[in-house]
Order: sequence, then structure tokens, then C-alpha cells
Amino acid sequence: EVLLTQSPGTLSLSPGEGATLSCRASHSVRNYLAWYQQKPGQAPRLLIYDAYNRAPGVPARFSGGGSGTDFTLTISSLEPEDFGVYYCQQRSIWPPLTFGGGTKVEI
Amino acid sequence: EVQLVESGGGLVQPGGSLRLSCAASGFPFSSHSMHWVRQAPGKGLQWVSFISSDSAFIYYADSVKGRFTVSRDTANNSLYLQMNSLRADDTAVYYCATDRKYYFDHWGRGALVTVSS
Repeated sequence: EVLLTQSPGTLSLSPGEGATLSCRASHSVRNYLAWYQQKPGQAPRLLIYDAYNRAPGVPARFSGGGSGTDFTLTISSLEPEDFGVYYCQQRSIWPPLTFGGGTKVEI
Repeated sequence: EVQLVESGGGLVQPGGSLRLSCAASGFPFSSHSMHWVRQAPGKGLQWVSFISSDSAFIYYADSVKGRFTVSRDTANNSLYLQMNSLRADDTAVYYCATDRKYYFDHWGRGALVTVSS
């Protein structure tokens, strides 16, 4: 099973600031990694797939990078609606499909 | 517009059974693989099960293997999760989701399952 470790656990930022979230895999997952955003009381939303491809409708301020075992999600300039919990997920070695523990982005 | 609506959640005693349903609309259900993903209260996401578009391929997380059964009814555009021998650690919101190359593309709002005596 591929373990995904996300850091930091919490990011405290203000609107307009940039954010960089990290996801590290226990084994290489090539570029088969996705990022999701979840707001309180809502289902997750797919943001990025295959490491750097934005899902339809996702703003350009979200960008993904990395390959192998180290990945990042960058939000260039935080908007108020960007606060929530972000999860990474791999599909390279499965079953099981696995998620990271999440990074909370808060004001 | 893609819509996924879960139903069938509720309170069940340990050892009991429950069947979740997911009604799909707004996309060609018969040609999409589907997943179940769960989230325990205040915790992260856990993949539960996958079923291919033709039901030929089915996979489960080890934690539910032998207890949960996923199925689908193309005629009714519905996905199901039969959950038996439920345990306290199965307590979670259960989401159905469409598959996008083994990522989770569209999600329902979830159904809460609480296992408690």
C-alpha cells in the first residue's frame, strides 16, 4: 500500500497570499497523483489530476507539480473561497487507492 | 449536470446490515466506472470500493472485504453498497463518486452511517 504524507498539517494564511502544500509518497507513483479540496459540510472536489492537469472549471491560480514521490499543490493568490482541507490521492499502485491525511488551509 | 444522490444511511447496531444506494443522473451511467469513498467523523478520506462500468472488475479495501458488496443496476442508473457485519469503525459519511482514470471526478453529498448500540 502506498502511504501519502501531507505537510504541513495546517497552513494559516490571509487572502492574497500564496500557499504551497506538499504530498510525499512512500513509493514512486510516477505522475499518478490528484489533489482535492473539501470545504466543511461538503463533498470533496477534484482540482488536479495526473500531478499537474487542472480539472474542468478549476481556476488557474491552482497548479500542481512534482513526480515520483514528491508533489506540490500551489495556490498563487488565496481567495476567501479557497479555505478548507486539501487531500492528495494516488492511483499508481492499487488497490487500494490511497489518500493523504490532508492539509487544512485556514485564515 | 452530473448528479449523484446517496440514500439508505442511518443508525444500525454492531453486527447489523445496511444497504446504501446512489442514484445517478446527468451522464451516461452505463459507461462510467464508480467508487464508494468514506469519511469518518472529523477524519480523512478512505477509498472503499470500485466497480467497473460493466461490473467485470470489482475491488475493495481490505477493511471491508468479505463484509461489503458493491453492485450496480444500469437500467435504474443506480449504484449500491450492501454492508454486512457492521462495526463501530464503519461509522462514516459514505460518498459515491464517478471514476476518472481511477480518480474521483464527481461526488454525491454523502450518506451518514452510524454503527452504535
